[in-house]
Amino acid sequence: QKEVEQNSGPLSVPEGAIASLNCTYSDRVSQSFFWYRQYSGKSPELIMSIYSNGDKEDGRFTAQLNKASQYVSLLIRDSQPSDSATYLCAVKGGAQKLVFGQGTRLTINP
Amino acid sequence: DTGVSQDPRHKITKRGQNVTFRCDPISEHNRLYWYRQTLGQGPEFLTYFQNEAQLEKSRLLSDRFSAERPKGSFSTLEIQRTEQGDSAMYLCASSFAGQHEKLFFGSGTQLSVL
Repeated sequence: QKEVEQNSGPLSVPEGAIASLNCTYSDRVSQSFFWYRQYSGKSPELIMSIYSNGDKEDGRFTAQLNKASQYVSLLIRDSQPSDSATYLCAVKGGAQKLVFGQGTRLTINP
Repeated sequence: DTGVSQDPRHKITKRGQNVTFRCDPISEHNRLYWYRQTLGQGPEFLTYFQNEAQLEKSRLLSDRFSAERPKGSFSTLEIQRTEQGDSAMYLCASSFAGQHEKLFFGSGTQLSVL
């Protein structure tokens, strides 16, 4: 079992709709959870962090964490073509290093 | 520019040659990480430093790879006797150690081994 799992996609969403990205993790002692956005040929950019159960909102982005289910999600409201990118889920568990999922490729269709 | 800086941006080398990459972290950050990323995959952890001490190295990392951070500031990653399988994007990230540590990445070095 991979430490951090994501559906690789591609996920296609019409412009203006809500994009929902999901991630599961295996290390129960994980404490910190992150979403990074990566445009093609570029490096990952941190867009959200979440540390406790529940929802965290930042503009059009909402991160959701459920530690009992070992599940993290990212919602993007009012999706724009500029949101088209690969979204990486990253988890920091008992070890200090950040472990990444393989990423979900998101395409927003105008 | 106060972000993480990596040099070079691109490196093309022949199999068997040695290559060295440099990373300059955000100045106030005390941790520095190296990751490797291949197409369609997420970044894979290689090693990390806190100040000048190398605290963890991936068990999957070949002995041909070595990293240093001699004065706790910039870091170098050297790959000896490169192989075609080493072709990847090498990413450096820095952070400030703490309960809610956040990693910020540089632009990466794209290595192509011919």
